[in-house]
Amino acid sequence: EPEVTQTPSHQVTQMGQEVILRCVPISNHLYFYWYRQILGQKVEFLVSFYNNEISEKSEIFDDQFSVERPDGSNFTLKIRSTKLEDSAMYFCASSGVGNYGYTFGSGTRLTVV
Amino acid sequence: QKEVEQNSGPLSVPEGAIASLNCTYSDRVSQSFFWYRQYSGKSPELIMSIYSNGDKEDGRFTAQLNKASQYVSLLIRDSQPSDSATYLCAVNGPGTYKYIFGTGTRLKVLA
Repeated sequence: EPEVTQTPSHQVTQMGQEVILRCVPISNHLYFYWYRQILGQKVEFLVSFYNNEISEKSEIFDDQFSVERPDGSNFTLKIRSTKLEDSAMYFCASSGVGNYGYTFGSGTRLTVV
Repeated sequence: QKEVEQNSGPLSVPEGAIASLNCTYSDRVSQSFFWYRQYSGKSPELIMSIYSNGDKEDGRFTAQLNKASQYVSLLIRDSQPSDSATYLCAVNGPGTYKYIFGTGTRLKVLA
């Protein structure tokens, strides 16, 4: 079964450092997303991406965040200057045409120290 | 503020019983509704989607939607210990692919 692949599975970074989280969505999917889940809290929307541009973003997704699809397969989330409160599990997801539900990747646990 | 509410649980049911999980949502124009299962430390896994009022069955799972009451539920028949997980309700409105998730209900199926 097709899957969404995320790397790394766990990243530890120092406060103020830049991190890039990587995702390979399902190959024939057109819509890509980043969500995050702080430990013990709900899954929160960050950003959606379609046709090589951001289609929607949340209040969380401020100027410190950016997304990119540098080639035909990868989808990345960059956090420019990490804060302690950015520590969370970050999930990439993708979906095809029609709103039939996302497929989530296995997640990257980001720990900011 | 659009909200999706779930009882956090834990909901404990004996093996073989029916587990009933409930979700309410605040945005009346919501169109698409999803149930995800999330094991501890893992990513959400899609179980079912439902779009119109009534019941939708898939194996041991039945999703129920009542738009007038802004209520969606998931029934799990013949519950197994492997069903023990957190069940997330997600809601989607018109013109967007963004999902709003509830906090999830933790289900414990007792062997």
